[in-house]
Amino acid sequence: KNQVEQSPQSLIILEGKNCTLQCNYTVSPFSNLRWYKQDTGRGPVSLTIMTFSENTKSNGRYTATLDADTKQSSLHITASQLSDSASYICVVSRYGNKLVFGAGTILRVKS
Amino acid sequence: EAGVTQFPSHSVIEKGQTVTLRCDPISGHDNLYWYRRVMGKEIKFLLHFVKESKQDESGMPNNRFLAERTGGTYSTLKVQPAELEDSGVYFCASSSLRTSGRETQYFGPGTRLLVL
Repeated sequence: KNQVEQSPQSLIILEGKNCTLQCNYTVSPFSNLRWYKQDTGRGPVSLTIMTFSENTKSNGRYTATLDADTKQSSLHITASQLSDSASYICVVSRYGNKLVFGAGTILRVKS
Repeated sequence: EAGVTQFPSHSVIEKGQTVTLRCDPISGHDNLYWYRRVMGKEIKFLLHFVKESKQDESGMPNNRFLAERTGGTYSTLKVQPAELEDSGVYFCASSSLRTSGRETQYFGPGTRLLVL
């Protein structure tokens, strides 16, 4: 069954701290893995896209990693800001550009 | 450049009524997707248009849902008759036509549908 599991379900951190979000998937055939940020009341916005051969991809303070052998990915956020408070969704694309979504991790950054 | 827009932003209807959601993709984007998030669940694929043609409609839950994209520009998603379990957030996304499969899908803000 094609599934994307994310952990933790929710997370609260202090402003300025780092955090890492996890994603495990069982999607096949695998095309690429994406991390999206979704602010409350808005649609998801793409942060990174990684293919099978890419281990790391950065976008500013966001760094995503991919281990295609273990089918795991992580999203590391450095020096968190209040504006990082959002839902972070791991999405795996199957061939044919069909997206399989995780349930998301809700991140809250406190001052 | 305008992003993906969706109308209405919210809709509250009674069971058995009809609702039509509209999506305007980014200008020039041939790919248009509909997704849905029901309460407490992950976002799920509904269907995919390439221009005016339905490329994949395997995610449509049943024949109460009808999607159209006449002329290959905006798209509508009609639910008739609406049931309680249709409540959720309906997202539209668009992307340019490429063969790599890595193209970014740009999402609209969603339509929040509540069926009472």
